[in-house]
Amino acid sequence: KQEVTQIPAALSVPEGENLVLNCSFTDSAIYNLQWFRQDPGKGLTSLLLIQSSQREQTSGRLNASLDKSSGRSTLYIAASQPGDSATYLCAVRPPGANSKLTFGKGITLSVRP
Amino acid sequence: NAGVMQNPRHLVRRRGQEARLRCSPMKGHSHVYWYRQLPEEGLKFMVYLQKENIIDESGMPKERFSAEFPKEGPSILRIQQVVRGDSAAYFCASSAGGWSSYEQYFGPGTRLTVT
Repeated sequence: KQEVTQIPAALSVPEGENLVLNCSFTDSAIYNLQWFRQDPGKGLTSLLLIQSSQREQTSGRLNASLDKSSGRSTLYIAASQPGDSATYLCAVRPPGANSKLTFGKGITLSVRP
Repeated sequence: NAGVMQNPRHLVRRRGQEARLRCSPMKGHSHVYWYRQLPEEGLKFMVYLQKENIIDESGMPKERFSAEFPKEGPSILRIQQVVRGDSAAYFCASSAGGWSSYEQYFGPGTRLTVT
């Protein structure tokens, strides 16, 4: 059974810092991995999706890497801003039909001005 | 080109009442997934439906919960005789297919509060 872990559960950093959010998963047989952002009381915004054959994806100040063999992914946020404060969830998807997502509990990030 | 729509966005029910949550998938999508987010928890899969068929309900509680996706109209997640522990955010996602190559697109969620 796939399990996704995100540690720590919460993180507080000063504005301007570069930071790394970690995600680990137990079963390396994944099709892709996706990072989402969730603001309090809101829905999910997809940030980056990495296929299992890829090593990384970039969008603006965000860079996500994937090491499938070791069961790890990182989300790198450059030059953090207060507007980056949110909960970041990672989710993995197995290959094949009936392909549901397995989520981690998320990391709640607070960027202090 | 509307995204996935869910209504109501907020729902308050007293213990013992029924809750009905609706999900309208994106245009052209015939696959719907329901996920539940309990307080301080990540999203957990509940059920996967195609039009008129339940494909996987392995994440659904055995009692009081049911889901449908009729030929016409939205997908409905129904919770009978709600209890305080049902208070959560319920998200649906839709996709054009069930295979892993089809991305799931999430709705804004319905926040259920049971008093």
